[in-house]
Amino acid sequence: AQKVTQAQTEISVVEKEDVTLDCVYETRDTTYYLFWYKQPPSGELVFLIRRNSFDEQNEISGRYSWNFQKSTSSFNFTITASQVVDSAVYFCALSEAGGGRDDKIIFGKGTRLHILP
Amino acid sequence: NAGVTQTPKFQVLKTGQSMTLQCAQDMNHEYMSWYRQDPGMGLRLIHYSVGAGITDQGEVPNGYNVSRSTTEDFPLRLLSAAPSQTSVYFCASSYSTRNTGELFFGEGSRLTVL
Repeated sequence: AQKVTQAQTEISVVEKEDVTLDCVYETRDTTYYLFWYKQPPSGELVFLIRRNSFDEQNEISGRYSWNFQKSTSSFNFTITASQVVDSAVYFCALSEAGGGRDDKIIFGKGTRLHILP
Repeated sequence: NAGVTQTPKFQVLKTGQSMTLQCAQDMNHEYMSWYRQDPGMGLRLIHYSVGAGITDQGEVPNGYNVSRSTTEDFPLRLLSAAPSQTSVYFCASSYSTRNTGELFFGEGSRLTVL
């Protein structure tokens, strides 16, 4: 069965510091997709990134970067030079896409990130 | 386009009452799903559907029913509400039946069961 673990429940850093949010996943499929979502204090859920299991290239988008390592089943998210606006709950998610109807997306419990001014 | 629309946004129920959370999307998405969000528990999948006429159970389906008679609508029914169902509920849809695309979420429905 698929599983996503975000071991960091809550993190606080001072503005401008770098911070990494950890995500470890479990799946039996060789084809799967990983996602990160952001939930700011306003409550909406915002898609950040999708990565498929065949693409281990790291991705950078502005101050955000993602490190996907199949060898350790991890898909970590780093914010460089954090800003107060980055304060949110961040969710990692996994979708197995090996076939059949079991195409559900499972989320981790989330990491609440506080950026202190 | 409205995206994913959930109603109502807030609801208070008494134990044993029934209600339906409505979810509609105008993006012609095949995949739709319901999650509940509780403190410290993240987003847990209740039910999902890969197309009209097809529904499947997620991680926490007990106490909830769904149906998918049209592509646009995916209502979530609580037949006999319990205090344990107090939560924030999110409906989400995706363009991909293989669920490889991003999820588009509604704004959420906050339900309190007394």
